[in-house]
Amino acid sequence: DGGITQSPKYLFRKEGQNVTLSCEQNLNHDAMYWYRQDPGQGLRLIYYSQIVNDFQKGDIAEGYSVSREKKESFPLTVTSAQKNPTAFYLCASSIWVTSGKDIQYFGAGTRLSVL
Amino acid sequence: GQQLNQSPQSMFIQEGEDVSMNCTSSSIFNTWLWYKQDPGEGPVLLIALYKAGELTSNGRLTAQFGITRKDSFLNISASIPSDVGIYFCAGPIQGAQKLVFGQGTRLTINP
Repeated sequence: DGGITQSPKYLFRKEGQNVTLSCEQNLNHDAMYWYRQDPGQGLRLIYYSQIVNDFQKGDIAEGYSVSREKKESFPLTVTSAQKNPTAFYLCASSIWVTSGKDIQYFGAGTRLSVL
Repeated sequence: GQQLNQSPQSMFIQEGEDVSMNCTSSSIFNTWLWYKQDPGEGPVLLIALYKAGELTSNGRLTAQFGITRKDSFLNISASIPSDVGIYFCAGPIQGAQKLVFGQGTRLTINP
């Protein structure tokens, strides 16, 4: 089945530790996105990538890093510089279009907690 | 920047009731998207609207693209327990390949 796979579903981070969240898609989409969702809040954009080997900061990029070495994969690293990492992280992908009719499709999310 | 204001923030209704929620902006949008998020899951697209005045249905859900292009509405008829969740509106930011999301409407249904 085509879709977006995020792993793991639950992740725990110790103080001072970097952790990496995985996002893989087999939809042949050009663009991929990472969002952060806090309880009772909307989605805030962390990073996005429109093409392999290129990515842009979103609204809350500090303390996070990404890479886009393959079209199918867009891993997110939550670094030790992110002091409040506990949240629900969502990955999305879309076909790169300029018509304004683009739709983003989401993975099932990873819940990150601090030990 | 472009922002979306979604209301109400939460709704508590009885099963079988109809639901209405809306999304407004001070900027014009060329596309309106409505997503639903179940607890602990990612958002799923319900309806996409591409033309001012457009009215589109998906089962018991109906969404409208406002004539001014600055608002959109989502209605759910005869609510059932599986309608529980958070509903988000979203629209593309002009000149950028990214979406802006509303804050969400949390729907709770009493059986």
